[in-house]
Amino acid sequence: GAGVSQSPSNKVTEKGKDVELRCDPISGHTALYWYRQSLGQGLEFLIYFQGNSAPDKSGLPSDRFSAERTGGSVSTLTIQRTQQEDSAVYLCASQAGAGQETQYFGPGTRLLVL
Amino acid sequence: QQQVKQSPQSLIVQKGGISIINCAYENTAFDYFPWYQQFPGKGPALLIAIRPDVSEKKEGRFTISFNKSAKQFSLHIMDSQPGDSATYFCAASMNSGTYKYIFGTGTRLKVLA
Repeated sequence: GAGVSQSPSNKVTEKGKDVELRCDPISGHTALYWYRQSLGQGLEFLIYFQGNSAPDKSGLPSDRFSAERTGGSVSTLTIQRTQQEDSAVYLCASQAGAGQETQYFGPGTRLLVL
Repeated sequence: QQQVKQSPQSLIVQKGGISIINCAYENTAFDYFPWYQQFPGKGPALLIAIRPDVSEKKEGRFTISFNKSAKQFSLHIMDSQPGDSATYFCAASMNSGTYKYIFGTGTRLKVLA
């Protein structure tokens, strides 16, 4: 597609359940980022993938959060044993790669943990 | 050193007025400063960006002013329109193999008709 896509667009889950959020980056982009945006707040960096390098996981808030990127393209963010404070919009962004500045964001997944 | 401080948190401007949002950074290694615009329910989108080798960049009604010595940069929206009502984020980054952003906390702009 022409842009970054994310699915689902909305997710409602019960506390304690696991959720998987998907990101399809722009084709050919080697860098992929996950951010969390709580209601009315800024963008909190979670994790970053660049090509085949080890991901930068420095922003993950707890070990309940993990992400993978298969084949250098699609990425999945998994939250285990969800808590109410995990409710937020999860944004994915892709970037063409080394030396390319612009990050292109997807529309986000709105997660609500009841 | 990695923070980007953004102000104000919210801003209300009359239609036709000038909206000004300010950001400050500490790390002098930053060399790319984008502004992103986010409408409700949408992801942020690049609005305009600047490098520190210039003091100003203008694209239509949007201008970035950059003060390298003060480590500050600002977004000016001239002739503000109700359609400009959105949240604006500044960011700073450097080329360390890739451009990883440090975002400001965002400014919610409302332009009154």
